[in-house]
Amino acid sequence: QKEVEQDPGPLSVPEGAIVSLNCTYSNSAFQYFMWYRQYSRKGPELLMYTYSSGNKEDGRFTAQVDKSSKYISLFIRDSQPSDSATYLCAMIPFSSSASKIIFGSGTRLSIRP
Amino acid sequence: KAGVTQTPRYLIKTRGQQVTLSCSPISGHRSVSWYQQTPGQGLQFLFEYFSETQRNKGNFPGRFSGRQFSNSRSEMNVSTLELGDSALYLCASSLGAEGETQYFGPGTRLLVL
Repeated sequence: QKEVEQDPGPLSVPEGAIVSLNCTYSNSAFQYFMWYRQYSRKGPELLMYTYSSGNKEDGRFTAQVDKSSKYISLFIRDSQPSDSATYLCAMIPFSSSASKIIFGSGTRLSIRP
Repeated sequence: KAGVTQTPRYLIKTRGQQVTLSCSPISGHRSVSWYQQTPGQGLQFLFEYFSETQRNKGNFPGRFSGRQFSNSRSEMNVSTLELGDSALYLCASSLGAEGETQYFGPGTRLLVL
């Protein structure tokens, strides 16, 4: 079993819809949680960074962490065609540097105009 | 602040050759990590350098090596290239402290023929 599980998709939704992307994990030591967006043939771009449990909002994006369920989510409101990309969740254990980061396999998202 | 830069952006090599990829981290970042990304395997950690020392290493053969210079710039070398080495090679930099996340460069796309 992988430490981080992420549905690979592809996920296709109409423009304007609310998108929900999710990851589950098995290691209770994970303390730092991130979402990256990767466009085709580009490097991953950091979207959201959250420490421990709770919600964080940035514009149309909301990251949610539920440590009791070992479950993290990224919500995208009013989705746009420009949001079409692969979304990677990532996590770092407590007391660890970024090199211990574990990535999910990524979810391919397509927003239909 | 300038982001992470990688050169070259694209490379075509033949089996048996060697290749050197370069990465310049964000100014002030002392940690540089390298990843291989392929459609089938996702993001796989190669190694991390911090203050010119290899701090962590992934499960790749010895053909993959790297180094870091005093200005934090890093190079990655792959010797005796194999067809399976065709991939996007990503460099990511961070401050190197606990919980600090990584910022990725655009990647070098390597094609081995």
